[in-house]
Amino acid sequence: AQKITQTQPGMFVQEKEAVTLDCTYDTSDPSYGLFWYKQPSSGEMIFLIYQGSYDQQNATEGRYSLNFQKARKSANLVISASQLGDSAMYFCAMRAFVGTASKLTFGTGTRLQVTL
Amino acid sequence: DAGVIQSPRHEVTEMGQEVTLRCKPISGHNSLFWYRQTMMRGLELLIYFNNNVPIDDSGMPEDRFSAKMPNASFSTLKIQPSEPRDSAVYFCASTFRAGGGSSYEQYFGPGTRLTVT
Repeated sequence: AQKITQTQPGMFVQEKEAVTLDCTYDTSDPSYGLFWYKQPSSGEMIFLIYQGSYDQQNATEGRYSLNFQKARKSANLVISASQLGDSAMYFCAMRAFVGTASKLTFGTGTRLQVTL
Repeated sequence: DAGVIQSPRHEVTEMGQEVTLRCKPISGHNSLFWYRQTMMRGLELLIYFNNNVPIDDSGMPEDRFSAKMPNASFSTLKIQPSEPRDSAVYFCASTFRAGGGSSYEQYFGPGTRLTVT
């Protein structure tokens, strides 16, 4: 079974600063994928970034980067130069490719508040 | 692209009534997922389809819940009879799964906010 743990229920960051949202995972599957989604107050789920378990380099997408440490089973999201529009819930999710693949298991989320 | 379309966006119904939620995935996508989001339980996968075939429905909470995908462009999630504890936001998501090792992200619809009184 897969498990995602997000230990930070809420985070604050000042505008223009960088912030790291933590995510640890547990799986026995050799091949898996890790995702981060953003859910603003309007409710939609927005895909941000993806990291495959065999990817050699950490994923980056604009101001988002994923600090992937496979041995520690962590996949932290780093947002650089925070903006007010980054205030939202952020979910880490994992998908396995073995057996009943394509299932996404989500963490409980971290609410990020960007302040002036 | 229109994205994943869900209807209705909001539904308020009385306990015991039948509720049907609808989803139109992104054209060309071959996998469809139904999720439920509540404050208490977070985001839960209810069921997913691959090429219109249900692959895993282990997340469906009870027999009161059923889902169908009669064709590649339409899916329904039905609750009969509905109960207050079914109140949640129900998301539909779709992706294109090319088989083992695929990494395609799931695109979510806007969700249906269901309130059962």
